[in-house]
Amino acid sequence: DVKVTQSSRYLVKRTGEKVFLECVQDMDHENMFWYRQDPGLGLRLIYFSYDVKMKEKGDIPEGYSVSREKKERFSLILESASTNQTSMYLCAISLGDVNEQYFGPGTRLTVT
Amino acid sequence: QKEVEQNSGPLSVPEGAIASLNCTYSDRVSQSFFWYRQYSGKSPELIMSIYSNGDKEDGRFTAQLNKASQYVSLLIRDSQPSDSATYLCAVNMNRDDKIIFGKGTRLHILP
Repeated sequence: DVKVTQSSRYLVKRTGEKVFLECVQDMDHENMFWYRQDPGLGLRLIYFSYDVKMKEKGDIPEGYSVSREKKERFSLILESASTNQTSMYLCAISLGDVNEQYFGPGTRLTVT
Repeated sequence: QKEVEQNSGPLSVPEGAIASLNCTYSDRVSQSFFWYRQYSGKSPELIMSIYSNGDKEDGRFTAQLNKASQYVSLLIRDSQPSDSATYLCAVNMNRDDKIIFGKGTRLHILP
């Protein structure tokens, strides 16, 4: 079974704080993704990574950065949290040649 | 702009009936197609993948792909209240590992 874990299920932070969201996978997969999901807007890709120390911008990278120092861990960083970053954040990994993506449980972030 | 379109619903179906969910996509060269189920407050769960034209069956679920018409559908037979969820259609369009998600169709199974 594919196992993707995220550091927190619920998180409340204040405007201006630096926020770290962590994603860990246990199957040595190369491809990892960060999405946010908002009502009416669906899933939007923030950043993705194909390997250690590699990162690619998705559709909405502004206000975010990522870090991938080890293959199993992909971190999403909000440098200075803002209220419009209140959202559900989802990490995913993809398998092999068929590009099936499997999601972690998600982190619901509230920025006040 | 590469897009995946779904009717947002809600789609209400009586228990025991067949639920039919549809999805269209914009890029003719798309290769891989997926259906995810998402319960409220939870993350999406992959339930079906389909890669070639025709039908693919898995238990009560059947995915149908028609590349010429650029649509993919999901049929759920003998619908159960536990099937009530949002169903996301997703398409891999670029031969890379990114997939594009539709905004989902809310399905409500009426007991």
